[in-house]
Amino acid sequence: AQSVAQPEDQVNVAEGNPLTVKCTYSVSGNPYLFWYVQYPNRGLQFLLKYITGDNLVKGSYGFEAEFNKSQTSFHLKKPSALVSDSALYFCAVRDPPGGDYKLSFGAGTTVTVRA
Amino acid sequence: DTGVSQNPRHKITKRGQNVTFRCDPISEHNRLYWYRQTLGQGPEFLTYFQNEAQLEKSRLLSDRFSAERPKGSFSTLEIQRTEQGDSAMYLCASSLGLAGAPDTQYFGPGTRLTVL
Repeated sequence: AQSVAQPEDQVNVAEGNPLTVKCTYSVSGNPYLFWYVQYPNRGLQFLLKYITGDNLVKGSYGFEAEFNKSQTSFHLKKPSALVSDSALYFCAVRDPPGGDYKLSFGAGTTVTVRA
Repeated sequence: DTGVSQNPRHKITKRGQNVTFRCDPISEHNRLYWYRQTLGQGPEFLTYFQNEAQLEKSRLLSDRFSAERPKGSFSTLEIQRTEQGDSAMYLCASSLGLAGAPDTQYFGPGTRLTVL
């Protein structure tokens, strides 16, 4: 089965500092990778995805992610964090890769951006 | 796009009762998914529809759970004889699936179920 891991339960940064949320994957074949964000008592909002092509993917709200095949990683980044970026972030992989359907999610990383 | 909507947003029930949740996908999205999310965990896949056909069910979907999408539009998820372990957030997602093109799933706000 395909899977992703988010090694950090929590990430704390000061507003204006760079933000990185880590994700590693374990898949057979080429992975389809996604990042979602969840605010309290809300559903998941799509941020960005990697299918193929450029290793640097740009998404919503100033977020980007870098696909690194040799390190099997897909870290989410934002150059300058905002207090409003405080939320729960999920990395996900299409399972099976290239398949039509389900996503397998990591356990999530809680991001806190302090003013 | 009005987004994916789910009703009710919250449901409190007693153990042993039946509950039904509704999901209205983004119009013209042909694929619809149900996930379950418990506290501190990522969402877990439950089942998937392409139009009205239910194509995949997770082992998590015991025989007390049933999902339908009768006309290929809205979907319902029913849980019979609820147990306390069913307490969770139930998320619905939809996508526009085109042959050969990876789709993106868009999620609704979820239905939070509490079984007393």
